[in-house]
Formats: sequence, structure tokens, C-alpha cells
Amino acid sequence: NAGVTQTPKFQVLKTGQSMTLQCAQDMNHEYMSWYRQDPGMGLRLIHYSVGAGITDQGEVPNGYNVSRSTTEDFPLRLLSAAPSQTSVYFCASSGSSGNTIYFGEGSWLTVV
Amino acid sequence: AQSVAQPEDQVNVAEGNPLTVKCTYSVSGNPYLFWYVQYPNRGLQFLLKYITGDNLVKGSYGFEAEFNKSQTSFHLKKPSALVSDSALYFCAIVAGNNRKLIWGLGTSLAVNP
Repeated sequence: NAGVTQTPKFQVLKTGQSMTLQCAQDMNHEYMSWYRQDPGMGLRLIHYSVGAGITDQGEVPNGYNVSRSTTEDFPLRLLSAAPSQTSVYFCASSGSSGNTIYFGEGSWLTVV
Repeated sequence: AQSVAQPEDQVNVAEGNPLTVKCTYSVSGNPYLFWYVQYPNRGLQFLLKYITGDNLVKGSYGFEAEFNKSQTSFHLKKPSALVSDSALYFCAIVAGNNRKLIWGLGTSLAVNP
């Protein structure tokens, strides 16, 4: 089982560049979300989706866009990368609120 | 306000000794409680959860946790620690009318040989 797959695993961007982090799950989960993990700050929710066509903002949405055109895919777009967006990004999915969450392996992003 | 606290940034134990990683919470209503583990340069992995029923929950890799409603705690325990248990541990809750997921900041566990 593939579970939650996110790409790329590592990326270096220049300030001002844009990019998309891809996330796909094969468990037919309704809930998908993106987190960023920074030292001493735990996991912070960027955006989430409760189903295809539905997205909403989390704690730290500024500078990021998402879309959910299918149940399987939930890409995260950085519109104009800034050094403050240097972080580790995790995609996650679950069957519903309160169910076990499955995480991808992470994407390490450095903005220079 | 609903919150999760992991009061220890780091826990150090000797291999073979019992370990405890603490988690306390403040919520309205009945929460769902979770523990996840993160090994270096990896994503988070599910360890165990409490929804309802028996207060003692057994999970992966020999871990267990006890839901204590009066103390609003959900401490993670293991009778005999392994060096391979060294990792970052996160407590999380789902609570409230909006069933919002709330994460603790994580506790780094170091098991020394």
C-alpha cells in the first residue's frame, strides 16, 4: 500500500520562485491536510480539505494555496517563496475527523 | 480554550528502564486522544489512540497509554525502553463541537545504551 505519497522530498528555491508540493493518497480518505514543522513549534496546519472541491485555511495559510479537484490529490502551492517558508512540509490524510491520520514522508524545502 | 501540553521537551532514559512521556489536555466534551512517533527525517507514524472504553490503550512497538479523565492526562508508557525508541513523540487530541485536531509540541525521547 502506498498510503500518502508526497513529492519532492528535497527542494531548494530562490526567493520569489513558485513551486508545487504534490500529495496523493490511495486510501479514499475524505480529509487531507498540509502541515509545516519547524523546530520548537511543533506541527502547524497550513490548509486542509474535507472533501473534493472543499478547502479551508489552517493556522498559517499566508503564502500558500491549495486545491482539491479529486479525492486523491491535494497539492500545495507556494506562490512566491520567502526564506520564512524554509521548513519541512507534511501532507496527511484521514477517513474522517477523529480517525487515525496517515502522514507522508515529508518534503524538506529551503528558500535562499 | 482547548489545548494539549507536553510538559517535557526531552526525556532521557536508560535502555531497559521503563519510560513515560507525558501529555495533558484541556478540552470541553469528550476528546479523542492520539500518540504519534516521528523518527529522524521521517513522517509521523500512528502509535495508539483512545476513543472510548478501557482507559488503558495498547499500541504499536509495545507502547501503551492510560486515559485519566480526572487528571486530564494521556501519558505514553513502555515497560522496557529500547535504543530504537529514540524519536520525537507527539500527543494530539480531537475535541470540541468542530472536532478540531490539536497537537502538542512534541517530546524528544533519548534512550541511552
